[in-house]
Amino acid sequence: DSGVTQTPKHLITATGQRVTLRCSPRSGDLSVYWYQQSLDQGLQFLIQYYNGEERAKGNILERFSAQQFPDLHSELNLSSLELGDSALYFCASSVGEGGLNTGELFFGEGSRLTVL
Amino acid sequence: AQKITQTQPGMFVQEKEAVTLDCTYDTSDPSYGLFWYKQPSSGEMIFLIYQGSYDQQNATEGRYSLNFQKARKSANLVISASQLGDSAMYFCAMREGIGDYKLSFGAGTTVTVRA
Repeated sequence: DSGVTQTPKHLITATGQRVTLRCSPRSGDLSVYWYQQSLDQGLQFLIQYYNGEERAKGNILERFSAQQFPDLHSELNLSSLELGDSALYFCASSVGEGGLNTGELFFGEGSRLTVL
Repeated sequence: AQKITQTQPGMFVQEKEAVTLDCTYDTSDPSYGLFWYKQPSSGEMIFLIYQGSYDQQNATEGRYSLNFQKARKSANLVISASQLGDSAMYFCAMREGIGDYKLSFGAGTTVTVRA
């Protein structure tokens, strides 16, 4: 158990719909990352938040948005869903900056999204 | 350009034998970290081992060791005494710089351990 909690574990929805994926990082971790894993694209970095602020942005579509709340949990919002958005969405957390932190990411179990 | 390259899509290994998974990386940053993660069929990502760019010795964690060749920009994972439970997808990843902990992942290598 990594200590990172993601909900829901599985989600089936239709094209055009909107979903929200939720992530609770490990206790004490300030950074949250979102990754998308699909068969054809592999593990793609979407976005990173550090202590409530956006820190880095990757290949995140404009239809997708995320935020990190004061209690450090994060949500990834996916809208106008397309078939190609079907993937496993991972949240990961790390301690964040400073110290001797190696930068290891602790991953949640993922949210598997199926768009029909 | 790909930052992490894993050229072996799949590998078979006999139980109790060792297997080496290849990983090459590309960065111009002198400070970086290299990671290996395991993803079993259940889907979770499990951290295995870490090597920092300034580390003088190759990292080891139990049956996992990392063969770090800085000049060649390679960071191969060696799994010794393979077990059936080692069957999984293995990902090499890199963090560039200090303060930016985003990891870039390779395409992964599927390892199947045969009894």
